[in-house]
Amino acid sequence: EIVLTQSPGTLSLSPGERATLSCRASHSVSRNFLSWYQQKPGQAPRLLIYAASSRATGIPDRFSGGGSGTDFTLTISRLEPEDFAVYYCQQYGSSPFTFGPGTRVHIK
Amino acid sequence: QVLLEESGGGVVQPGRSLRLSCAASGFTFTDHGMHWVRQAPGKGLEWVSFISYDGNTKYYADSVKGRFTISRDDSTNTLYLQMSSLTAADTAVYFCASRTPIDYWGRGTLVTVSS
Repeated sequence: EIVLTQSPGTLSLSPGERATLSCRASHSVSRNFLSWYQQKPGQAPRLLIYAASSRATGIPDRFSGGGSGTDFTLTISRLEPEDFAVYYCQQYGSSPFTFGPGTRVHIK
Repeated sequence: QVLLEESGGGVVQPGRSLRLSCAASGFTFTDHGMHWVRQAPGKGLEWVSFISYDGNTKYYADSVKGRFTISRDDSTNTLYLQMSSLTAADTAVYFCASRTPIDYWGRGTLVTVSS
């Protein structure tokens, strides 16, 4: 099983600032099949990034993903008020399709 | 418009069974694999199970292997999760989700395992 570790656990930032979130895998993620999701309280997650760096349909270009192998990042170039949420990474290269524990981005 | 609607949640005693359903619409159900993902109260997401578009491939998280069974009925565009030997650790909102990577989610159904 691939274990995903996300850091930091919590990020305190102000609107307009840049956010950099990390997702590290215990083993190489096959074909870089790593996705990022945003979840707000009481809502289902929303797909932001798939295959490490491809933006999902309708996702603003301030969201970008990068990395390969075992180290991946999600960057939000300039935080908007609606971006304060919890972010999860998930690997879907090999079963079980594990999620990371999440990074909470909250307003400073 | 893709719509995934879960049902079947509720309060169940430890050791008992429960079956969740997910009615899918707005896309060609038979073209896509489907997932169940759960989220315990106040906790993160946990992937539970996957079934391929043709039903021939099924995967499970270690935490549910041997107790949960995923299935699909293509004639009614419905996904199922049969859960048995339930424990308090299975208490969660269960989301039905489509495709890989997951791009559509239902709103979830709450399962509470309690005596």
